[in-house]
Amino acid sequence: QSVLTQPPSASGTPGQRVSISCSGSRSNIGGNYVYWYQQLPGTAPKLLVYQNNQRPSGVPDRFSGSKSGTSASLAISGLRSEDEADYYCAAWDDSMSGPVFGGGTRLTVL
Amino acid sequence: EVQLVESGGGLVQPGGSLRLSCAASGYTFSGHWMYWVRQAPGKGLVWVSRINSDGNSIRYADSVKGRFTISRDNAKNTIYLQMNRLRVEDTAVYYCTRGVVGTAWFDPWGQGTLVTVSS
Repeated sequence: QSVLTQPPSASGTPGQRVSISCSGSRSNIGGNYVYWYQQLPGTAPKLLVYQNNQRPSGVPDRFSGSKSGTSASLAISGLRSEDEADYYCAAWDDSMSGPVFGGGTRLTVL
Repeated sequence: EVQLVESGGGLVQPGGSLRLSCAASGYTFSGHWMYWVRQAPGKGLVWVSRINSDGNSIRYADSVKGRFTISRDNAKNTIYLQMNRLRVEDTAVYYCTRGVVGTAWFDPWGQGTLVTVSS
């Protein structure tokens, strides 16, 4: 059981916009930055969004993050086949004094 | 290029031991906290342990406390994870990653090394 809650799956067709939610509590998302990771099949996770809505160099602006209260979301616009991957949200948890992750959302591009 | 390369994974019997290594390159290793994060087959990411830049501040997840030991050698740009009294539920891909203290900011990640605990 992950501390942060994500839907197990999401899907969309090429060109569509999809959104993945991440729900937490005051001790994690409510009081700290949210991070998003993309894990392509058979590879290591890769930082996709940091500090709620910032993109590392090289990440397309099709990916955007947002946060409100104790929830966050990742939006992917102009969906492409290469976006098919697992997406994880993460945040520092003050109660646990450590980072916590969501259970991951598998995105399928139909 | 910043790079992390893990090694040391393999098949071990329950109760056995294994030592993982993670070699860093491309940045000032001694200036950064380092983490181990694991992923059981078909499951999500779970933080295992962290060590600060000079090795004198260490923390573990409750699931591995007392069995795993993290350490680092800044002269060799390497961190280690000594895993003792391994259990079947420790089976996972173990990733090392560079982190920022007090956040869930992890970048980059190594390619991972698979640890399988089975009789």
